[in-house]
Amino acid sequence: SAVISQKPSRDICQRGTSLTIQCQVDSQVTMMFWYRQQPGQSLTLIATANQGSEATYESGFVIDKFPISRPNLTFSTLTVSNMSPEDSSIYLCSAAGGGLYEQYFGPGTRLTVT
Amino acid sequence: TQLLEQSPQFLSIQEGENLTVYCNSSSVFSSLQWYRQEPGEGPVLLVTVVTGGEVKKLKRLTFQFGDARKDSSLHITAAQPGDTGLYLCAANPSSRGKFQFGAGTQVVVTP
Repeated sequence: SAVISQKPSRDICQRGTSLTIQCQVDSQVTMMFWYRQQPGQSLTLIATANQGSEATYESGFVIDKFPISRPNLTFSTLTVSNMSPEDSSIYLCSAAGGGLYEQYFGPGTRLTVT
Repeated sequence: TQLLEQSPQFLSIQEGENLTVYCNSSSVFSSLQWYRQEPGEGPVLLVTVVTGGEVKKLKRLTFQFGDARKDSSLHITAAQPGDTGLYLCAANPSSRGKFQFGAGTQVVVTP
């Protein structure tokens, strides 16, 4: 298993600004992912954070809006750029590895854009 | 379209009752996972099922993977308030680590 921490745990931001969310894993992992979730609803995958190369984005998500970094095997950041109220959500990072790709999640970052 | 169909969407039961949550698909998966998420927390992995027909037990929780590896169920016996949470199934259609999640089942167990 892996222990994941995220910072900040929550934030309230103004429209047009950007927020960077940090995700730290307590061990080296093969894969890291970023998800978005509305309270009580399912998870939507934003992108796969690739170590040493550009992230792989899902349909509907673009690098200019959600730039991602992954400088090593234990750390990743997600930036939400030029925020609007529609970006208000919970952002979760996860780490996966092993043959079954079992995922371990951080506690999430609750973002409110006013 | 949703790859994984979960049902029901919402379940409210009394303590001591049993419940079953279903996760269905038309696709075959090499593995399927179940997670539980409590408010303010990230999802926590409960189990991974791999073999068709497999049954796994975790205390009062019983997980079953369909023979054809297209569906799964989660059964809770004698539910307790601590079982309250959002239950999510997830599968890895490409076998490359990128998971898709079902819509989730919100379970509320009242004392």
